[in-house]
Amino acid sequence: DIQVTQSPSTLSASIGDRVTLTCRASQSISGWLAWFQQKPGKAPKPLIYKTSSLERGVPSRFSGSGSGTEFTLTISSLQPDDFATYYCQHYDTYVYTFGQGTKLEIK
Amino acid sequence: VQLLQSGIEVRKPGESLKISCKGSGYTFNNYWIAWVRQMPGKGLEWMGVIYPGDSDTRYSPSFQGQVTISVDKSIATAYLQWDSLRASDTAMYYCARRGPDYFDSLDVWGQGTTVAVSS
Repeated sequence: DIQVTQSPSTLSASIGDRVTLTCRASQSISGWLAWFQQKPGKAPKPLIYKTSSLERGVPSRFSGSGSGTEFTLTISSLQPDDFATYYCQHYDTYVYTFGQGTKLEIK
Repeated sequence: VQLLQSGIEVRKPGESLKISCKGSGYTFNNYWIAWVRQMPGKGLEWMGVIYPGDSDTRYSPSFQGQVTISVDKSIATAYLQWDSLRASDTAMYYCARRGPDYFDSLDVWGQGTTVAVSS
């Protein structure tokens, strides 16, 4: 089974910072990578699918990139609403494996 | 487009339970539904998926044999079921829809169902 590992586990940053979260797969996943944002007590919110495609309504400060086994989520200028936990996910038709999450905290 | 999940459940160890996820606003039969567990203070874990059109069901190896996923097409509802709950099943459970296009991931999520198992 393909494993997905996120880093760092926690990231402290300030409003306006540019931040990059990383997701690594145990083998090549050919772009089948999504990102979700979750706030306490809420369901996950889809942000990005197919490595770099933004879900409808997601602000353009969010972007995704990568290939093979290494992927990133970048937030170009942190806003107060962005402090949350972010999960990457490898998926195909029958598998939906999540990373362990990166908690983005206010510095 | 909406997935509406059943409400909070409190059970004792050994009891059975079936929680639900009702789809609306789209053609329910044509979209995979996934179930995701989140234990208190922990991350997201994929449990399994079902295709309502033909009930094709796949489980994560971690959950195979531990739960049963089913669907009732006539009422556009998917289910997650336990025959004998354990305290370790205490968690929030989400259902989510796989989007319509080839590369879509889980694009619509239910609000979650809290399951508490305690003696």
